[in-house]
Amino acid sequence: EDKVVQSPLSLVVHEGDTVTLNCSYEVTNFRSLLWYKQEKKAPTFLFMLTSSGIEKKSGRLSSILDKKELFSILNITATQTGDSAVYLCAVGAQKLVFGQGTRLTINP
Amino acid sequence: DTEVTQTPKHLVMGMTNKKSLKCEQHMGHRAMYWYKQKAKKPPELMFVYSYEKLSINESVPSRFSPECPNSSLLNLHLHALQPEDSALYLCASSQGIGRNQPQHFGDGTRLSIL
Repeated sequence: EDKVVQSPLSLVVHEGDTVTLNCSYEVTNFRSLLWYKQEKKAPTFLFMLTSSGIEKKSGRLSSILDKKELFSILNITATQTGDSAVYLCAVGAQKLVFGQGTRLTINP
Repeated sequence: DTEVTQTPKHLVMGMTNKKSLKCEQHMGHRAMYWYKQKAKKPPELMFVYSYEKLSINESVPSRFSPECPNSSLLNLHLHALQPEDSALYLCASSQGIGRNQPQHFGDGTRLSIL
């Protein structure tokens, strides 16, 4: 059975800190790994990673995939209160298997 | 606001009611999805449609009946639901299932079964 595990499950930091969120996976047929940010409603797409070792970057957020060790990290630098959300990692293509999510809280 | 539009945003229904959830996208995507998300849990896949044909049914009870009238629309017909079916129902779309393209989600319909 495909499995995606995120850590930590919850994280509270101060504004301006840098955070690293982890996602490890065990799947039978890897196609891609995706990161989403979910506040109150729709999960919002952040990154899709298919190749190992290539960093994807968007502003203060970046992510990288290690296909040998079967994990990905999501980094957020200079955090802001608006970064508070649940960050979801998912693996698959047609069928996405999600991790439990990391609930990130940024305190001012 | 997302490019995947779901209506209604909230729905309260009794166990004997029949209702439908609607999802619409105009991004030219050919794959559409229904997910169920319980509180503090990740989304769980229910159905996948590809080119308007049902591609995946994740052993969903028959009281949930999906329908894809055309490439832009996806419905979920509900009948005789149980209280445990109360959840956020998310629709998503992607360019196609054969390609590595991300799924984009709507804001969901929050469903409460009395």
